[in-house]
Amino acid sequence: DTAVSQTPKYLVTQMGNDKSIKCEQNLGHDTMYWYKQDSKKFLKIMFSYNNKELIINETVPNRFSPKSPDKAHLNLHINSLELGDSAVYFCASSQDGGAWWEQYFGPGTRLTVT
Amino acid sequence: KNEVEQSPQNLTAQEGEFITINCSYSVGISALHWLQQHPGGGIVSLFMLSSGKKKHGRLIATINIQEKHSSLHITASHPRDSAVYICAVSGGGADGLTFGKGTHLIIQP
Repeated sequence: DTAVSQTPKYLVTQMGNDKSIKCEQNLGHDTMYWYKQDSKKFLKIMFSYNNKELIINETVPNRFSPKSPDKAHLNLHINSLELGDSAVYFCASSQDGGAWWEQYFGPGTRLTVT
Repeated sequence: KNEVEQSPQNLTAQEGEFITINCSYSVGISALHWLQQHPGGGIVSLFMLSSGKKKHGRLIATINIQEKHSSLHITASHPRDSAVYICAVSGGGADGLTFGKGTHLIIQP
C-alpha cells in the first residue's frame, strides 16, 4: 500500500504549456512538501504546506503554485513551462511541520520540457 | 541559510569494507536526516537524529551538535548498499529540508 504516491511518473511536454503533478499521501500526515531535483541530482525545497500555512522558497518562480484540495493531497501546478523546469519533482509528507518528524517521499515525477 | 557539505562526493569500495560518509552544516539545526536514493530514483529516510547516535542493522549515524557534524557509517558493506546517500537538515517549523549534494557510493563485489 503506497504511502506517498505521485502521478504521472513521467511527463514530457513542450515549452509554454501548463501542467500539473498530483501527490497523495495515505499516512494521515499534516504537512506535505514539494522538492525539485535538478540534473546534478541536487534536491531543493520548493514548498511546504500544512493546511494552515504555505511556505514558499523565495527562489521558486511564481509560475509554480501548489494546490491542496484536502489534507491528503498537494498538487503542483506549473504555468508556461520552460526548458529549465526539466527535473525530477518529489512530493513528501511528514506527521507535522516541525523538525522532529521523518519525511516520507513519493517516487518522483520526471518532467522533461522540450 | 544553512549550508550543508558532504564528503566524499564519490566513494568506491570493496564488499565488506567499513564505510564513512561525513556531513557538516553551517547553522544550528533542530534535526539532521540521512536519506538514501537508489539508482531507481526513490528516496528513503534512513535516520533522523538531533543528538548522539542511532543504529539500524549495519547502518550507524552519529551527530555532534557542538561541531555541527554528522557521520553515516556502514559496516560490512554489500553491493546492495550502492546508492546515493544524502544528508539533510531541518531548522524547525515547516520549512522543509536543506540538502547536501549527496555521496555516490559504489560497493564492488
